[in-house]
Amino acid sequence: DIVMTQSPDSLAVSLGERATINCKSSQSVLYSSNSKNFLAWYQQKPGQPPKLLIYWASMRESGVPDRFSGSGSGTDFTLTISSLQAEDVAVYYCQQYYSTPLTFGGGTKVEI
Amino acid sequence: EVQLVESGGGLVQPGGSLRLSCAASGFTFSNSWMHWVRQVPGKGLVWVSRVDANGSATSYAASVKGRFTISRDNAKNTLYLEMNSLRAEDAALYYCARGGDGHRYTFDIWGQGTMVTVSS
Repeated sequence: DIVMTQSPDSLAVSLGERATINCKSSQSVLYSSNSKNFLAWYQQKPGQPPKLLIYWASMRESGVPDRFSGSGSGTDFTLTISSLQAEDVAVYYCQQYYSTPLTFGGGTKVEI
Repeated sequence: EVQLVESGGGLVQPGGSLRLSCAASGFTFSNSWMHWVRQVPGKGLVWVSRVDANGSATSYAASVKGRFTISRDNAKNTLYLEMNSLRAEDAALYYCARGGDGHRYTFDIWGQGTMVTVSS
């Protein structure tokens, strides 16, 4: 199984400041034949189901604000919130879909 | 409105069975891969199972393989999860989720979840 490790477990960021969340996979999730990284990011607010933010490591889902961006390749990935808003308080998860079982990181709690 | 609504959760004794349902609306269910994902409250997300669009191919997490069965009825726009030989560690909030368009092993639509409690 591919193990996904996120860091930090939690972070506090001031409104308008940048938040950076890291995700590392135990093996590469880059598929060489199409040069795509099989990595997604989700946001989960309290009492709500997760929401897909990013897929293919850097593609924003429709309707996701452009302050959210994903980067990285191979085994190391980053989710950046460029200017934190109050509504961004949530837990963020990375997920690999390179192979089954599909696996998630442990989550990063973002607070203000 | 695009929507997934789970039902069927509840309290069951260890070793018991439960069938979860997920009613889909607002999109072409019969074209969509579907998944079950579970989450212990306050903990992380765990993928459980998936089924392809016509129900012919399935896969499972090792922890549930042989005990859980995913299926679908495209005429009823409904996804199912048959859970047998339930264990305490199966207790969780169970979400159904749609596989993303073009990236079917991501989850682009989620239900609100149905809670499964396993206890004597």
